[in-house]
Amino acid sequence: KQEVTQIPAALSVPEGENLVLNCSFTDSAIYNLQWFRQDPGKGLTSLLLIQSSQREQTSGRLNASLDKSSGRSTLYIAASQPGDSATYLCAVSGGGSEKLVFGKGTKLTVNP
Amino acid sequence: DARVTQTPRHKVTEMGQEVTMRCQPILGHNTVFWYRQTMMQGLELLAYFRNRAPLDDSGMPKDRFSAEMPDATLATLKIQPSEPRDSAVYFCASGLAPGQETQYFGPGTRLLVL
Repeated sequence: KQEVTQIPAALSVPEGENLVLNCSFTDSAIYNLQWFRQDPGKGLTSLLLIQSSQREQTSGRLNASLDKSSGRSTLYIAASQPGDSATYLCAVSGGGSEKLVFGKGTKLTVNP
Repeated sequence: DARVTQTPRHKVTEMGQEVTMRCQPILGHNTVFWYRQTMMQGLELLAYFRNRAPLDDSGMPKDRFSAEMPDATLATLKIQPSEPRDSAVYFCASGLAPGQETQYFGPGTRLLVL
C-alpha cells in the first residue's frame, strides 16, 4: 500500500527566503506525482505535475523534482512571499491505479 | 473560468439524519472523484467515476455512504444515517482520463454532525 509522507508538517520563514518542502513515497511504481496548494477553507489547486518519466517541472518561482528510485520529491520555492502562505500537499498515483494518495501536507507561513 | 462547484458549502445536522452533497464537474471532464479530509486522516479518496460508471468505491463505508452520477453534470454523495465521526470536509474533483492530467477540486462541503 502506497504511503506518502511530508516533512516538515509546518514551516515558518521570513519573506524572501528560498525554501524546500519534502515528500517521500514508499512504492516507486508511480504514474505521476503532483504538488497541490490548499488555502484555509478552500479546495486544492494544482501547482505542478511530474510524469514518472520526468525529473522536474518548473512554474514561475516553483520547481519540483522527482527521484523515483529513492521515492522522493522536493518542491523548491524561490524568493518566498507572504502570499505563498498555505498548506502544500504532495500526491502520487500509480501501482496500477490512477487514484491519488496524498500526504498530510506542510503548512507554510511566510512572515513579512 | 471553468470550475467544479459543490453544494452546500456548509452543513450542520444531527446524528441519524440523511445528508446529501452535490457536485457539478467541469464540463467535458469524464472522471469525478469524492474525497474526505480530516485533521487526523488527511485527504482520503472515497470513490470515483468514469463516464458516470463507478470505478472504485473501496474507500467508502458501504453501510451508510452511497455515491451516484445521475447524469454527466451531477455527482451526489449521500450519508444515511449520519454519525458524528462523519464530520469532515468533503471534496469533489474532476478530470480527464487516463489519469495523466491533474484533478480540479471544488471548494468542498464542510459537514458537522452533532
